[in-house]
Amino acid sequence: GQQLNQSPQSMFIQEGEDVSMNCTSSSIFNTWLWYKQDPGEGPVLLIALYKAGELTSNGRLTAQFGITRKDSFLNISASIPSDVGIYFCAGTTGFQKLVFGTGTRLLVSP
Amino acid sequence: DVKVTQSSRYLVKRTGEKVFLECVQDMDHENMFWYRQDPGLGLRLIYFSYDVKMKEKGDIPEGYSVSREKKERFSLILESASTNQTSMYLCASSLETSGTGELFFGEGSRLTVL
Repeated sequence: GQQLNQSPQSMFIQEGEDVSMNCTSSSIFNTWLWYKQDPGEGPVLLIALYKAGELTSNGRLTAQFGITRKDSFLNISASIPSDVGIYFCAGTTGFQKLVFGTGTRLLVSP
Repeated sequence: DVKVTQSSRYLVKRTGEKVFLECVQDMDHENMFWYRQDPGLGLRLIYFSYDVKMKEKGDIPEGYSVSREKKERFSLILESASTNQTSMYLCASSLETSGTGELFFGEGSRLTVL
């Protein structure tokens, strides 16, 4: 089955730093989503993007839907310890069946 | 508050045992999904269901089956557990008409097969 290439695989940063991660696909998607999984929990939706070129913010998070519809990135500004977790991108062609990325594990040092 | 509940957080089973993982959602969602999560591989879809008694294979259905007798409940069955099925299993649900792609996940069931 298809998987999305997500990078980096892991990041270890200092509190206050900005973070950037991205996701690429060989297929076109109509929707890109970013989820976060806290330790010991299931993933929770952070941001959803529905249009090519769309740039959307949610607090300190900013995500963009690539123009080619084959990629997306997520930025986190001024990271804090509670940003720790695994971040997953996901894409869909609109039939409720998501394809997930391989995940980016983020560790934040106080 | 929306809720997807998985019956067991941690299970340890022996090779060859039959394993049931139960999932219940209280949001009246039509769609339900079972994923497995492995380091470096992300989430991979095992099976999903759009309605009661309906099921569709995902990307890695081999060695698994599912049951959806009631709208709120979706069970994953390992007929004969094997060590390569040691993993974290995540159940999710979504609203058919939402069109947003938003899935609501349970907390996960970590299965170890010895």
